[in-house]
Amino acid sequence: DSGVTQTPKHLITATGQRVTLRCSPRSGDLSVYWYQQSLDQGLQFLIHYYNGEERAKGNILERFSAQQFPDLHSELNLSSLELGDSALYFCASSPRQATNEKLFFGSGTQLSVL
Amino acid sequence: GENVEQHPSTLSVQEGDSAVIKCTYSDSASNYFPWYKQELGKRPQLIIDIRSNVGEKKDQRIAVTLNKTAKHFSLHITETQPEDSAVYFCAASSYTGNQFYFGTGTSLTVIP
Repeated sequence: DSGVTQTPKHLITATGQRVTLRCSPRSGDLSVYWYQQSLDQGLQFLIHYYNGEERAKGNILERFSAQQFPDLHSELNLSSLELGDSALYFCASSPRQATNEKLFFGSGTQLSVL
Repeated sequence: GENVEQHPSTLSVQEGDSAVIKCTYSDSASNYFPWYKQELGKRPQLIIDIRSNVGEKKDQRIAVTLNKTAKHFSLHITETQPEDSAVYFCAASSYTGNQFYFGTGTSLTVIP
């Protein structure tokens, strides 16, 4: 167990809908990263938050947004869902802002858009 | 920004043989290089990492080497076992950066 908690584990929804994925980082970790992994694909970086502030954006669609709350948990909001958004979404956390520290992944949320 | 390339994309070895996965990076500011193992449907798990002030690090059957001059690092798995079968990802990052840059992954199959 990495200490990073993601909910829900599975999510099935329809095209056009909106969903929210939740992540609780390891105790004491201030940085949260979101990644998308489509079937048999690599880890696509979406966004990095540190202590409530956005630090870096990757290939995140405008239909997607995220935030990190004062208690350090983070939410990834996906709207106007399309079939191609079906993927495994991972959250990861590390202690500080610097990215030369160990990164620990949650178990992911499997999103299926039908 | 940083660009990490990983080879090979697939690798099959006989049980007991060694496996080597190689990654190159482009940004000389990168100074932290972790390796992750991902089993099917599971989360990536950190298996070993190395910092730029070290040339080699070993943990039982797993070792990582780093050549800063050539900007490449490699994962070495000796005496492979079927449970080593997974996808392995390399990554690079720097103290001043804001993200980790992952390679595209290597699917390792260990044949019993």
